[in-house]
Amino acid sequence: KQEVTQIPAALSVPEGENLVLNCSFTDSAIYNLQWFRQDPGKGLTSLLLIQSSQREQTSGRLNASLDKSSGRSTLYIAASQPGDSATYLCAVRAGGTSYGKLTFGQGTILTVHP
Amino acid sequence: GAGVSQSPSNKVTEKGKDVELRCDPISGHTALYWYRQRLGQGLEFLIYFQGNSAPDKSGLPSDRFSAERTGESVSTLTIQRTQQEDSAVYLCASSLTAFEAFFGQGTRLTVV
Repeated sequence: KQEVTQIPAALSVPEGENLVLNCSFTDSAIYNLQWFRQDPGKGLTSLLLIQSSQREQTSGRLNASLDKSSGRSTLYIAASQPGDSATYLCAVRAGGTSYGKLTFGQGTILTVHP
Repeated sequence: GAGVSQSPSNKVTEKGKDVELRCDPISGHTALYWYRQRLGQGLEFLIYFQGNSAPDKSGLPSDRFSAERTGESVSTLTIQRTQQEDSAVYLCASSLTAFEAFFGQGTRLTVV
């Protein structure tokens, strides 16, 4: 059974800092990995998606890496801003008969203070 | 529609009552998923539809939970004889391929 773990569970940083969120998964047979952002009372917003054959993806100040063989992914946020405060979720997508099914980590609650 | 729509956005029900939660996926999306997020916990997979069929319903926690999809569009998640532990945010997602999942805003269910 796939298990996804995110470290740290919570992080509080001053504005402007660069930070790294970590995600690990137990079964390397994934289709892809996706990072989401969740704001209180709202749905999930997709940030980055990395295919299993890729090593990293970048979007603006966000960079996500994937080391499938070791079961690890990191989300790097550069020059953090108060608007980045949210819960960040890592999810891996299975293939086969569970095509597209996502297994989520517990999330990292990020607070960026001015 | 422009996005995944879920209704109601909030539902308060008495223990023992049945509830129905609705999901309208993005038009043309053949895959539809239901997830549950209990307070302080991660999202749990409940069921996956491809078209109107459910090849993976392994996440449904008990036989009180059921779901259907019609017309390769709207899906309804039904919880019978609700219990307090059913209180959670129920999220629906749809996709055209396995590359993406587009989530609705969720239905917050409170069982009192």
